[in-house]
Amino acid sequence: DTAVSQTPKYLVTQMGNDKSIKCEQNLGHDTMYWYKQDSKKFLKIMFSYNNKELIINETVPNRFSPKSPDKAHLNLHINSLELGDSAVYFCASSLRNTEAFFGQGTRLTVV
Amino acid sequence: TQLLEQSPQFLSIQEGENLTVYCNSSSVFSSLQWYRQEPGEGPVLLVTVVTGGEVKKLKRLTFQFGDARKDSSLHITAAQPGDTGLYLCAFPKEGGSEKLVFGKGTKLTVNP
Repeated sequence: DTAVSQTPKYLVTQMGNDKSIKCEQNLGHDTMYWYKQDSKKFLKIMFSYNNKELIINETVPNRFSPKSPDKAHLNLHINSLELGDSAVYFCASSLRNTEAFFGQGTRLTVV
Repeated sequence: TQLLEQSPQFLSIQEGENLTVYCNSSSVFSSLQWYRQEPGEGPVLLVTVVTGGEVKKLKRLTFQFGDARKDSSLHITAAQPGDTGLYLCAFPKEGGSEKLVFGKGTKLTVNP
């Protein structure tokens, strides 16, 4: 059973499009995250949700909108995609600040 | 400001060699985590160190937390190609926020 699963794994889209990435965890964790990993492999947090409530919103353009319908899901919607949005996006979950479990990542390529 | 400095950034060695990678900061941490990320995968936790001076071993990997809880090291003995990956250290940022802050990682390549 996959602990943290995100879809799709690969996403190629044109500039200006709107796209969503979905994430689900079956670990019973109360905190979920979205991280962005750039071409230099730097992993930077974007958002954190605890019990469906937004806890952290780092300096991320408002074209990025997370949504947590329940504790097990945290989706990421991106409007008006730009070339600079190309990266690998990781979903993760944890019990507060304990070990984080990561999904396999979504490689987004904006052309 | 990068809160966690990892060094070296890149390391390429031959199978059987020993190596040490470092994670340093000017801040004191309540705990520190080490992750390994293989190509095409998400990071996977290797160990969490909590107590200053603590040493933890995971087969050929030895993790040490500095006495002052500001730094940590990861030593690999007799490296194998399967150890290839990106090694990341991270700390939970306290103060009511729920986030793990990661260093930029050390990219290790072990050549057969």
